[in-house]
Amino acid sequence: TQLLEQSPQFLSIQEGENLTVYCNSSSVFSSLQWYRQEPGEGPVLLVTVVTGGEVKKLKRLTFQFGDARKDSSLHITAAQPGDTGLYLCAGARDSNYQLIWGAGTKLIIKP
Amino acid sequence: DAGVIQSPRHEVTEMGQEVTLRCKPISGHDYLFWYRQTMMRGLELLIYFNNNVPIDDSGMPEDRFSAKMPNASFSTLKIQPSEPRDSAVYFCASREGREQFFGPGTRLTVL
Repeated sequence: TQLLEQSPQFLSIQEGENLTVYCNSSSVFSSLQWYRQEPGEGPVLLVTVVTGGEVKKLKRLTFQFGDARKDSSLHITAAQPGDTGLYLCAGARDSNYQLIWGAGTKLIIKP
Repeated sequence: DAGVIQSPRHEVTEMGQEVTLRCKPISGHDYLFWYRQTMMRGLELLIYFNNNVPIDDSGMPEDRFSAKMPNASFSTLKIQPSEPRDSAVYFCASREGREQFFGPGTRLTVL
């Protein structure tokens, strides 16, 4: 059972376009994280959101946590080839911060 | 700090052989996680330790898998005997607060 559903699973777009990746669940999370993984490397944390409705920005990346803390989105403005990678969301369900991982969205930005 | 260190980076072995993967976490981190990543199943948590003590090994697929953490700076994941379906990238991660820091992974191929 996949507790965190990510969509789309794969996305290939041209440089300069905008995109949104979604992470959905029927469960409530105490916090949610987004990681990016590049080929041959381990995932690297981009952001942690904790409060329902919270929005965080990291340059051209905007992360939002749903009001009910069951879902999250990642929006990239004017995508660049350097944004290419596997984007993983991970939710924590208790104060021990043990993570439940989504299956990931493979993003390719074509020059 | 050099980050989480894993060895070897690549391992090719034959079915039935014993495989030992090694991990050195970031100094001062009190949690250590072992993950397996495949295209089909994504990132799966195998086992995690807190202060060198195994807390949850429910993700370990079979008795062929075992993990130890003899001290705060070293952990091993052993597969004996190995099977072709064990082929995957194995990641070790250590944690500070909410953030998990991943090693570069070990790509295991069992022929």
